[in-house]
Amino acid sequence: QSALTQPASVSGSPGQSITISCTGTSSDVGGYDYVSWYQQHPGKAPKLMIFDVSHRPSGVSNRFSGSKSGNTASLTISGLQAEDEADYYCSSYTSTSTCVFGGGTKVTVL
Amino acid sequence: EVQLLESGGGLVQPGGSLRLSCAASGFTFSSYAMSWVRQAPGKGLVWVSGINDSGGSTNYADSVKGRFTISRDNSKNTLYLQMNSLRADDTAVYYCARGVRSYDSSGYSYWGQGTLVTVSS
Repeated sequence: QSALTQPASVSGSPGQSITISCTGTSSDVGGYDYVSWYQQHPGKAPKLMIFDVSHRPSGVSNRFSGSKSGNTASLTISGLQAEDEADYYCSSYTSTSTCVFGGGTKVTVL
Repeated sequence: EVQLLESGGGLVQPGGSLRLSCAASGFTFSSYAMSWVRQAPGKGLVWVSGINDSGGSTNYADSVKGRFTISRDNSKNTLYLQMNSLRADDTAVYYCARGVRSYDSSGYSYWGQGTLVTVSS
């Protein structure tokens, strides 16, 4: 159950687009369309932003989008805003019927 | 409004036990998978355990297998995590999370506020 691999940090200017990658294996990310993304502000509980690779829950801005290619999933934030500054985590279902998170990516809005 | 309220955290000595509870409201509890996810101070999210809607299927991270037991009482809308043989590296905020469907698929649409478990002598 090794953690999924995410970049430690990503930054961008307001209005720009950024993409966060999440790399796993064929036993998790590559094997199932069960990849999710979470946003977490300091001291707060995580918030679901994307599930099932590319589905947005009701109420989540359409500036957030998800995709997957092979063993790597991606979260794109377009039109970056100050409020998007937070930690982002990916997660995936695995072949052992467990779930695994990525190490997290700190997004900084310059 | 969906609410998940964890309780039962606290300070425990190494080797000790704790039982966490998560009281759910605002949705049909018996229709959704539930999970526990923890976060050590300053660290990332780690999946701990999950249970399907009926309670008939449970799964655990290797780090807690054999020490932790997840269960649910659908008549009481409550999720539990029995934690035995606690170690210092179990110290974390423990979140209760509701799945997006009846079986665990890593998507958790609602989270509690978390309860802090500290394992220390």
